[in-house]
Amino acid sequence: QVQLQESGPGLVKPSETLSLTCTVSGGSISSSGYYWGWIRQPPGKGLEWIGNIYYTGITYYNPSLESRVTMSVDTSKSQFSLSLSSVTAADTAVYYCARRSTSWFYFDYWGQGALVTVSS
Amino acid sequence: DIQMTQSPSSLSASVGDRVTITCRASQSISRYLNWYQQKPGKAPTLLIYGASSLQSGVPSRFSGSGSGTDFTLTISSLQPEDFVSYYCQQSYSSPWAFGQGTQVEIK
Repeated sequence: QVQLQESGPGLVKPSETLSLTCTVSGGSISSSGYYWGWIRQPPGKGLEWIGNIYYTGITYYNPSLESRVTMSVDTSKSQFSLSLSSVTAADTAVYYCARRSTSWFYFDYWGQGALVTVSS
Repeated sequence: DIQMTQSPSSLSASVGDRVTITCRASQSISRYLNWYQQKPGKAPTLLIYGASSLQSGVPSRFSGSGSGTDFTLTISSLQPEDFVSYYCQQSYSSPWAFGQGTQVEIK
């Protein structure tokens, strides 16, 4: 059973950089059949896709966030990471990491989510 | 970018009712439409992928249909654990957009 777990600071100051890591267990992050993604959900609102990364380092970002987003992968640690720069209160959200299939492109395994609050 | 419009945003129903949630894409997405269920305080879980394929372990009372721009999620007989939120997601082209969600409430 694949499991994903987000980790990182729960509080970030405005204008600083939000950094989160997702640790994958129960399956290989280097599998050719999957991308690894980040999705966020502001409190009481809907879901927003942030970006995906392949184990080779290929990335796809949401154009609405692309100027501030960087994703990376460390296959030796079975981890992938998200950095979001110049955060504002609008970036306050629960951040989920998830596995995305390369067939039909659905997200089939999700982490439990990490609430990140942007506040001074 | 492809926009996804879900309706209704909320609905009230009773245990045993049949309910349908609709998702419309701003352009054709073939059958690249997925449905998720989200319980309060939890991550979404995949229900349906490819418009109509039931994810392993999902009860058969859930079904999906549609192609092109119009899609539906049907719950044939609502169970108490189904009174939660549902989201559609297009996986035809990046950026992968979600619908705004439908909250199913107890009447």
